[in-house]
Amino acid sequence: AQSVAQPEDQVNVAEGNPLTVKCTYSVSGNPYLFWYVQYPNRGLQFLLKYITGDNLVKGSYGFEAEFNKSQTSFHLKKPSALVSDSALYFCAVSGNTGGFKTIFGAGTRLFVKA
Amino acid sequence: GAGVSQTPSNKVTEKGKYVELRCDPISGHTALYWYRQSLGQGPEFLIYFQGTGAADDSGLPNDRFFAVRPEGSVSTLKIQRTERGDSAVYLCASSAGGLTGANVLTFGAGSRLTVL
Repeated sequence: AQSVAQPEDQVNVAEGNPLTVKCTYSVSGNPYLFWYVQYPNRGLQFLLKYITGDNLVKGSYGFEAEFNKSQTSFHLKKPSALVSDSALYFCAVSGNTGGFKTIFGAGTRLFVKA
Repeated sequence: GAGVSQTPSNKVTEKGKYVELRCDPISGHTALYWYRQSLGQGPEFLIYFQGTGAADDSGLPNDRFFAVRPEGSVSTLKIQRTERGDSAVYLCASSAGGLTGANVLTFGAGSRLTVL
């Protein structure tokens, strides 16, 4: 069965500084990995995904994530944080064998201070 | 439609009552998912439809929960004999992809269920 761990409930960063939101996963076979973001009073939105190929994937709003198979991680990064990046971020995983459901982590709240 | 539409946006009911939550996916999307999100937690998978059939219903917590998608478009999540622990935001998502884990999900705004 697949699972996702987001070890930090909250990440605080100053505007302009780089940010990292951590995610590790467990899945049988090759993983499909995703990041979604939830802004206050808005629905979950897709940010980026890793399916295959280049380990560094780029997504919306300047975010990127690096797939590391040996560490089973898929950390979300951004070189320079904006106050408007403050939101709830969810890592998600699904597999390519058996069930195709997407499983979400518990979420990490990002606060970017001006 | 332009996005995933969920109704009602808010539902307050009493313990023991029956509830239906509706999801209208993006037009042409064959895959439809139901999730449940409790306060401070991530979305919890309930069921995944591909067309009219449930491809994976392993997340339904018990037999009080049932979902249908009779024509491969609109879906209804049905909860019988509601309990206070059923209180949560019920999220629906759809995708244009086939039977694969690689689908990108487009979520609706959710239906907030409160069981008194």
